[in-house]
Amino acid sequence: SQQGEEDPQALSIQEGENATMNCSYKTSINNLQWYRQNSGRGLVHLILIRSNEREKHSGRLRVTLDTSKKSSSLLITASRAADTASYFCATQHNAGNMLTFGGGTRLMVKP
Amino acid sequence: DGGITQSPKYLFRKEGQNVTLSCEQNLNHDAMYWYRQDPGQGLRLIYYSQIVNDFQKGDIAEGYSVSREKKESFPLTVTSAQKNPTAFYLCASSTRQSNTEAFFGQGTRLTVV
Repeated sequence: SQQGEEDPQALSIQEGENATMNCSYKTSINNLQWYRQNSGRGLVHLILIRSNEREKHSGRLRVTLDTSKKSSSLLITASRAADTASYFCATQHNAGNMLTFGGGTRLMVKP
Repeated sequence: DGGITQSPKYLFRKEGQNVTLSCEQNLNHDAMYWYRQDPGQGLRLIYYSQIVNDFQKGDIAEGYSVSREKKESFPLTVTSAQKNPTAFYLCASSTRQSNTEAFFGQGTRLTVV
């Protein structure tokens, strides 16, 4: 079963704009992670936020986590055409390190 | 270079055939995973292994089998019992520590012809 739901499913913006993607999940978690996937390729880890953290930054990425609402958001600031990809949230639970993925957001950044 | 390697990149299977997808890692990770991805969808867990000679079914294990005879290798066999095997298959590995990221291979695209 898929734990997460992502919103929006697709997002198209102009270069330089900010992109915000949201993720909701159903059960308690150890952490939530965001991954990026270029078309037809493997996933690349972007950022991990633990259940006791509320916000985390990495370069142009900002992730928030609200465990009371079981939701997270990924903000990409000053987007570039090279940011065009699919972005997935994944949750990790107490029982093992398996990741449960959402359906992803397909981001297109137009130059 | 350390990493996780999947082969082949593209695989074609005739109906009724079993095929095996290879996954090798040199990251010294204990845990390995197989995911299936259908077009425009997220990843679904097929099988996982936390240690050599042990593996567990994921959410969609029917029609698949795995082995974990070596730490570095976690091959996936797609059997003829899998009725809709056309998909993109991703292998991943991680340490067994909590709060750890997964490292993914580049995937194998399997098509039934």
